[in-house]
Amino acid sequence: SQTIHQWPATLVQPVGSPLSLECTVEGTSNPNLYWYRQAAGRGLQLLFYSVGIGQISSEVPQNLSASRPQDRQFILSSKKLLLSDSGFYLCAWSVSGGPYNSPLHFGNGTRLTVT
Amino acid sequence: QKEVEQDPGPLSVPEGAIVSLNCTYSNSAFQYFMWYRQYSRKGPELLMYTYSSGNKEDGRFTAQVDKSSKYISLFIRDSQPSDSATYLCAIGQGAQKLVFGQGTRLTINP
Repeated sequence: SQTIHQWPATLVQPVGSPLSLECTVEGTSNPNLYWYRQAAGRGLQLLFYSVGIGQISSEVPQNLSASRPQDRQFILSSKKLLLSDSGFYLCAWSVSGGPYNSPLHFGNGTRLTVT
Repeated sequence: QKEVEQDPGPLSVPEGAIVSLNCTYSNSAFQYFMWYRQYSRKGPELLMYTYSSGNKEDGRFTAQVDKSSKYISLFIRDSQPSDSATYLCAIGQGAQKLVFGQGTRLTINP
């Protein structure tokens, strides 16, 4: 069966510091990968998605970037964190190459607090 | 008008009650409908997924889609305290084009 891992679970970082969040998927090949942010009282906001190694689509212009160095690895980064980057970051995957309507499967998220 | 509207609640019901959670949407091109359950400090867990009008049942959960009214529902029968969570609807044209509702916070009281 497929599993998705995200780490760390919680992170407290000062303003201006760099960020690296990592996500890996097991049990499937060439998944579509996603980064979402969930702010309190708001829905999930899609930040980036990737359909293959090195292929990144950005949905929201911001202080963050994403990379996919390996087939099942997705990384969310920032060079300098802002207070507004605080939130709950979720990685997700879906089947690729099959039905466009494949549902999303989420990891357990990273709660980021920028101080 | 938001693309997907979901009553944020909170909703509190006694154990054993039937729970009804709802979302409306505005884009008639949306054809995929999902419900997720999210426990505190955890990621959303897929509960139900459908792409057609009508009902889909899975154990105590029933998902209902009415495309003509742009309205979807999730029913929980014989609700349990372990069902206490936030429920999110997700509607769109596919995994890359999903719009999420704000989530409804549900509490089942023993």
